Amino acid sequence: GEDVEQSLFLSVREGDSSVINCTYTDSSSTYLYWYKQEPGAGLQLLTYIFSNMDMKQDQRLTVLLNKKDKHLSLRIADTQTGDSAIYFCAERGLPGSARQLTFGSGTQLTVLP
Amino acid sequence: EAGVAQSPRYKIIEKRQSVAFWCNPISGHATLYWYQQILGQGPKLLIQFQNNGVVDDSQLPKDRFSAERLKGVDSTLKIQPAKLEDSAVYLCASSGYRGSYEQYFGPGTRLTVT
Repeated sequence: GEDVEQSLFLSVREGDSSVINCTYTDSSSTYLYWYKQEPGAGLQLLTYIFSNMDMKQDQRLTVLLNKKDKHLSLRIADTQTGDSAIYFCAERGLPGSARQLTFGSGTQLTVLP
Repeated sequence: EAGVAQSPRYKIIEKRQSVAFWCNPISGHATLYWYQQILGQGPKLLIQFQNNGVVDDSQLPKDRFSAERLKGVDSTLKIQPAKLEDSAVYLCASSGYRGSYEQYFGPGTRLTVT
């Protein structure tokens, strides 16, 4: 079945860039997502990328996709203390297919002042 | 636009008791999802509804979990009887159509089974 792997923890200094990495196993993944979860809250969709893209930029967020290596990364520029949260990578198959969202275990990002 | 509403936010029960969670999706959203998120893990899909029909319940432990969405709007997830391993956050999400790439999540219900 599908598997999504992430490192558990990342610490950065305020103002630095953060890079959160994710690997997945299923080559038929069509959409890949990054969600943010703050304490006591649900998941907030940050950004997503379609599998035929290599890169997507949205303000401070840059998503890179290496489809050959099945590697996804999220770069947060100028990281702020408000960015401290758990970040989940997720993948799914074609819309309307039986393939549902599969999440990684999440990366806890801590931003130090 | 109001988001996905869930209640209660917290629930503590003893094992073998029953519990029910309620979800009200974003108005007009036809697709509703229930996820279980165990501490330290990502969410795992339990069941997906399209209007009031079940699309996928392959990971729902049907011997103790049940869910319904009778009028295609609100949904209820029930656990009867609860086990210690059911301690988790139960997240509800909705999306505008089955093929939509974006799911909107509620704040979740944190269940503790003692």
